[in-house]
Amino acid sequence: GAVVSQHPSRVICKSGTSVKIECRSLDFQATTMFWYRQFPKKSLMLMATSNEGSKATYEQGVEKDKFLINHASLTLSTLTVTSAHPEDSSFYICSARDGSGSFDTQYFGPGTRLTVL
Amino acid sequence: GENVEQHPSTLSVQEGDSAVIKCTYSDSASNYFPWYKQELGKRPQLIIDIRSNVGEKKDQRIAVTLNKTAKHFSLHITETQPEDSAVYFCAAGGIQGAQKLVFGQGTRLTINP
Repeated sequence: GAVVSQHPSRVICKSGTSVKIECRSLDFQATTMFWYRQFPKKSLMLMATSNEGSKATYEQGVEKDKFLINHASLTLSTLTVTSAHPEDSSFYICSARDGSGSFDTQYFGPGTRLTVL
Repeated sequence: GENVEQHPSTLSVQEGDSAVIKCTYSDSASNYFPWYKQELGKRPQLIIDIRSNVGEKKDQRIAVTLNKTAKHFSLHITETQPEDSAVYFCAAGGIQGAQKLVFGQGTRLTINP
């Protein structure tokens, strides 16, 4: 199956700093990637849809200036959490859609656990 | 927008028995329904999916059924094994060509040996 990587797997930062998370599709081209946030023992909450070469579409309630998304190539999307605060601590997971195959199938990265002190 | 409800939130079954997880969705335009399995600290893994032109799909011990009229779909796991223990998420998507998925709340399945 399709492989999606995410880096870093864990990050601890001080309040006020920015953190960048990378999501890569390793063996396919992903025209669309998605960023989710998952709280402990909770479901996946879609934050934004990232399309290669265009601006991301954010879900209602997600601050686009807080969570900057860039999808510069068909294999890489980045999420930058700007001026992070403790309430931003969470598990962030990306997924990528394999445009060459099934229309809707999403493959997930391993996630990034962000802890803001 | 689409809303997906999933039940039960927790499910405990004896090894070898069957497990059933149910989901309902609100938008009749949804036409794609995947199921993901997530083990603790790991990524969600697609285990099976179904599209609206199909009523049932089976893959070894796993099957999914879809009732478009009632707007609900279910995951069936037969002959459960300890490695089936995980959190399972249903999702709905495909509305008007949009690619995003709306996830259910998840079901924590525990298989007791």
